[in-house]
Amino acid sequence: DSGVTQTPKHLITATGQRVTLRCSPRSGDLSVYWYQQSLDQGLQFLIQYYNGEERAKGNILERFSAQQFPDLHSELNLSSLELGDSALYFCASSPRTGATGELFFGEGSRLTVL
Amino acid sequence: AQSVTQLDSQVPVFEEAPVELRCNYSSSVSVYLFWYVQYPNQGLQLLLKYLSGSTLVKGINGFEAEFNKSQTSFHLRKPSVHISDTAEYFCAALNQAGTALIFGKGTTLSVSS
Repeated sequence: DSGVTQTPKHLITATGQRVTLRCSPRSGDLSVYWYQQSLDQGLQFLIQYYNGEERAKGNILERFSAQQFPDLHSELNLSSLELGDSALYFCASSPRTGATGELFFGEGSRLTVL
Repeated sequence: AQSVTQLDSQVPVFEEAPVELRCNYSSSVSVYLFWYVQYPNQGLQLLLKYLSGSTLVKGINGFEAEFNKSQTSFHLRKPSVHISDTAEYFCAALNQAGTALIFGKGTTLSVSS
């Protein structure tokens, strides 16, 4: 158990809909990272937050947004969903802003868009 | 583009045989390198990392990796694998900005008896 909690574990929805994925980092970790894992693209970095502030952006679509709340949990919002958004979405946390240390990954939220 | 390339998508091997999973990184990423393992229906967990110092890095579960700067490689090895090593293995490098890990596409290690 990494200590990172993601909900929901599975989510099935239709095209055009909006969903919210939630992540609770390990106790004391200030950084949260979101990754998308798909068969064709592999693991793609989406976005990083540190202590409530956005720190880095990767290949995140404009239809996607994220935030980190004062209690340090984070939410990833996916809107106007398309079939191609079906993937496993991972949240990871680390104690500080840099990623030179270990990232602790949750078990992921599997999104299926029909 | 910043990239990490895992040269084999699948590696089948028999139990107790040695294994090498190959990883090359581009010169545009940093030389902070990592190997993660993903067991079925689980998140990724760190096997080992290279930040500096000795080029031979030892990790958990008997795995080790060697950093080779001239060949821009960071291959993962284990002298004798077990059935329980069956998993997906990811090589990763820190991006130049130091803000996120760039992952390879993964290598599926299948160990059979």
